[in-house]
Amino acid sequence: DIQMTQSPSFLSASVGERVTLSCKASQNINKYLDWYQQKLGEAPKLLIYNTNNLHTGIPSRFSGSGSGTDYTLTISSLQPEDVATYFCLQRNSWLTFGSGTKLEIK
Amino acid sequence: EVQLQESGPGLVKPSQSLSLTCSVTGYSITSNYWGWIRKFPGNKMEWMGYISYSGSTSYNPSLKSRISITRDTSKNQFFLQLNSVTTEDTATYYCARWAARSLFDYWGQGVMVTVSS
Repeated sequence: DIQMTQSPSFLSASVGERVTLSCKASQNINKYLDWYQQKLGEAPKLLIYNTNNLHTGIPSRFSGSGSGTDYTLTISSLQPEDVATYFCLQRNSWLTFGSGTKLEIK
Repeated sequence: EVQLQESGPGLVKPSQSLSLTCSVTGYSITSNYWGWIRKFPGNKMEWMGYISYSGSTSYNPSLKSRISITRDTSKNQFFLQLNSVTTEDTATYYCARWAARSLFDYWGQGVMVTVSS
């Protein structure tokens, strides 16, 4: 099974700050990596698919990058509405979710 | 607009079966793929399985002996049954559309299920 490790598990940052979240796979996942955002009490929302493709309607301040086993989600300028838990999902072999990063405003 | 809504009992006794319904509006379940995902206390998420547009299914190997996903196309609903539950099955259960077996692009709000005597 492919294991996905997200870091940090918790992040506090200021409005306007550039934020980077990481997801590391236990083996090469060939860029089959998606990022989801889940706000409290809401359904998860797809942000980015296949490492760096922005899903429809997602603001351009969100971007993704990576290859092999290491992937990142970047928010270029943190906004108050970005408070949420972010988790990654690998689709290279079955499906495995990361443990999530809870993002808060400082 | 595609919408999904989970429903079912919020409390199940250990050793019994958990049964949930996902009602879909705005899109036919005879197209695409439809999955169940659960989120445990502490935020770990697990893909449970899916049912396809044709009715074929695939399950997470860790659940394969206990899980069944079925559907009723006349009602545009699909169902999750998880047998022999334990307290470790306590979670929030989500249904979602798995577009082209790639992207979970529409999700339900989730239903919290507690396994307790």
